[in-house]
Amino acid sequence: AQSVTQPDIHITVSEGASLELRCNYSYGATPYLFWYVQSPGQGLQLLLKYFSGDTLVQGIKGFEAEFKRSQSSFNLRKPSVHWSDAAEYFCAVGTNAGGTSYGKLTFGQGTILTVHP
Amino acid sequence: ETGVTQTPRHLVMGMTNKKSLKCEQHLGHNAMYWYKQSAKKPLELMFVYNFKEQTENNSVPSRFSPECPNSSHLFLHLHTLQPEDSALYLCASSHGAHRPQYFGPGTRLLVL
Repeated sequence: AQSVTQPDIHITVSEGASLELRCNYSYGATPYLFWYVQSPGQGLQLLLKYFSGDTLVQGIKGFEAEFKRSQSSFNLRKPSVHWSDAAEYFCAVGTNAGGTSYGKLTFGQGTILTVHP
Repeated sequence: ETGVTQTPRHLVMGMTNKKSLKCEQHLGHNAMYWYKQSAKKPLELMFVYNFKEQTENNSVPSRFSPECPNSSHLFLHLHTLQPEDSALYLCASSHGAHRPQYFGPGTRLLVL
């Protein structure tokens, strides 16, 4: 069965500093990987996705993530954090539900990002 | 209106009440999902509907009853809930396998 681990429950950074959120996955086949962001009391917003091809993927709001198969990782990065980036971030691995026409997501526990001015 | 919408956004109900949550997707997707998000717990997939047919029920108690009249609408009927059912209920939709899911804003449910 697939699983996703986000080792950091809570990260604090200063505004303008760089950010890296870690994500490790376990999945037997080619993974389909996603990062989502959730502001308090809101739904999840898709930041970026990796299906195949270039292992460095760009997303919205200046985020990027790098897929490293050898390390089973899909870490999220941003070169300069803004106060509005404070939120909870979820990494997810997508699977095809038994060859059907829909997929399922397995989420990590989430990482809460606090941004200090 | 675009994306995935959910109503109501907030709901307070007693344990003997009956209420329904509504989700509507305007994306032309074929699959719709209900998730439960509780504090300090990972997202729990509750139900999946694909082309209006229920394909997954992850051991959800019968006090939660989903309904999918068409590919654009999804309901979650609630009755005789328990306080531990208080959570954020999220609806999502997707199109095809290996595609991202798009989420609604959620319904914050409080059971007294």
